Amino acid sequence: GAVVSQHPSRVICKSGTSVKIECRSLDFQATTMFWYRQFPKQSLMLMATSNEGSKATYEQGVEKDKFLINHASLTLSTLTVTSAHPEDSSFYICSAALREEAFFGQGTRLTVV
Amino acid sequence: KQEVTQIPAALSVPEGENLVLNCSFTDSAIYNLQWFRQDPGKGLTSLLLIQSSQREQTSGRLNASLDKSSGRSTLYIAASQPGDSATYLCAVGRGGSEKLVFGKGMKLTVNP
Repeated sequence: GAVVSQHPSRVICKSGTSVKIECRSLDFQATTMFWYRQFPKQSLMLMATSNEGSKATYEQGVEKDKFLINHASLTLSTLTVTSAHPEDSSFYICSAALREEAFFGQGTRLTVV
Repeated sequence: KQEVTQIPAALSVPEGENLVLNCSFTDSAIYNLQWFRQDPGKGLTSLLLIQSSQREQTSGRLNASLDKSSGRSTLYIAASQPGDSATYLCAVGRGGSEKLVFGKGMKLTVNP
């Protein structure tokens, strides 16, 4: 299967700072990538759809100014959590599809202290 | 609005048992259904993808079936092993550029 790499796998930041998470498709090009958030013992909730060369599409209730998404190339999408607060602490996962099959990154555990 | 349900939420079995994991969805207008495995603190690993035109897919000890008309899919795990312990999620979608809708997952524990 295809490989999606996410970095970092774990990050701790201070409240009020910004954190950038990278998602790369290593062996294929992805015009669309997806960013999910997962709370403990909960399912994945789609936050936004990242579109190469255009603005991301955010799900209802997701603050676009807080969760900045940039999809500058066919292999890289970034999610920046701006002015992070403790309630932003969560597990963030990205995915990309190849021939209709979705492949996921390893996830990023964000802890805001 | 598509809703995906997985019941039960958790299952604990002895090693060697054959298992059936269930997934149901409310809107049958799906393009595909995908089963994933998630280990604690990790991302998702794709297990099987079933296109809407297909009825089942097999990979090793895993077999997944899809019945669109009834809104159901099952994941069959043969001869379960402790290494199969993980959370299994199913998700339905409308195609590669469309989002997936996930169930809450089923936590499987296979005891040696």
